[in-house]
Amino acid sequence: GAVVSQHPSWVICKSGTSVKIECRSLDFQATTMFWYRQFPKQSLMLMATSNEGSKATYEQGVEKDKFLINHASLTLSTLTVTSAHPEDSSFYICSAPRDRGRRANVLTFGAGSRLTVL
Amino acid sequence: KQEVTQIPAALSVPEGENLVLNCSFTDSAIYNLQWFRQDPGKGLTSLLLIQSSQREQTSGRLNASLDKSSGRSTLYIAASQPGDSATYLCAVRPGSNYKLTFGKGTLLTVNP
Repeated sequence: GAVVSQHPSWVICKSGTSVKIECRSLDFQATTMFWYRQFPKQSLMLMATSNEGSKATYEQGVEKDKFLINHASLTLSTLTVTSAHPEDSSFYICSAPRDRGRRANVLTFGAGSRLTVL
Repeated sequence: KQEVTQIPAALSVPEGENLVLNCSFTDSAIYNLQWFRQDPGKGLTSLLLIQSSQREQTSGRLNASLDKSSGRSTLYIAASQPGDSATYLCAVRPGSNYKLTFGKGTLLTVNP
């Protein structure tokens, strides 16, 4: 139980294009999801908190107009990197806590999405 | 601001050896601490979670300890195997929110 599916697992795009990454909780509902970014040999850094039915909250230094987050349902959050540039190339990982049940409050992570911007 | 440091950054050991990975954090006011495993290009797999009121957790060959007052945690791996090769990440959770602070990880290589 508590599976988070992330898609695509890797994507290559041209500079200036937009890329959408999906994060789905497959067997539980998640009113909140978290988006992290990881540069090579660096720790995961929280980018933003995605809230179902309301605006996402962004961490300091993260441009909300560049990293658009939509949490349209209790099982889906999307991260869109708009007008991507090579410096946006990174590993993006989402996570979600169960809202209820025996494993409530345990964070489950997706498999991550590797973005390469040419 | 919470900072998490993991030492060593990389470790290479022969198969069968027992080893210890270290994690330290600057703010002892944590809710819990979690150890993860990350394989190259993959997501995170949770290994052990220690609540702030606990001192250790065990799962199979893994044992994690927590000394909250000194801001330290260790992950002990017994009888290491080549399949244990991965990056091990330590993360602390500050409170009721889920804003985890991660260390940079320890890259473990177990040689057959």
